[in-house]
Amino acid sequence: AQSVTQPDIHITVSEGASLELRCNYSYGATPYLFWYVQSPGQGLQLLLKYFSGDTLVQGIKGFEAEFKRSQSSFNLRKPSVHWSDAAEYFCAVGAWGGYQKVTFGIGTKLQVIP
Amino acid sequence: GAVVSQHPSRVICKSGTSVKIECRSLDFQATTMFWYRQFPKQSLMLMATSNEGSKATYEQGVEKDKFLINHASLTLSTLTVTSAHPEDSSFYICSAPPRDSSGANVLTFGAGSRLTVL
Repeated sequence: AQSVTQPDIHITVSEGASLELRCNYSYGATPYLFWYVQSPGQGLQLLLKYFSGDTLVQGIKGFEAEFKRSQSSFNLRKPSVHWSDAAEYFCAVGAWGGYQKVTFGIGTKLQVIP
Repeated sequence: GAVVSQHPSRVICKSGTSVKIECRSLDFQATTMFWYRQFPKQSLMLMATSNEGSKATYEQGVEKDKFLINHASLTLSTLTVTSAHPEDSSFYICSAPPRDSSGANVLTFGAGSRLTVL
């Protein structure tokens, strides 16, 4: 069964500082990996996804993530955080093949301080 | 881009009543939609897969008779919480997988529905 671990439940960074959110997955085949962001009371918005090819993927809002098969990781990064980035971030893994079921991590809540 | 609309965004009901939540794909057809439940400070838990023209597939531990799912058309799925109780209070989110430019199915989520049962 597929699973996702986000070891950091809550992270606080200063505005302008760099950010890295960790994600480790467990999946028996080539994973399809996603990062979603959820603002309070809102649904989830896709930040970026990895299916194949270049292991460094670029997403919206200046985010990027790197797939490292050897470490079973898909960490999310941003060079300079803005106050509007404060939200909850979910890493997810899915199986390809028609309509995939997606398994979500528990989420990392990002707080941005001035 | 693909849009999934969910209604209502918030609903408050009395214990014992039923509540219906709608999920619509606005600019694409979805033969499959997914319903998730999110408890406070927790991740999304898949409740069921809604299939157009056939019965929904429920995840283990989800009561079929309490959470009725109807996929009425290629653009509409509904979740009805029957005889709601306070423990059913939660954030319910639907999603549908339109194909993106790469041909892959990537889930697009509705904005969610906050259910409060008094």
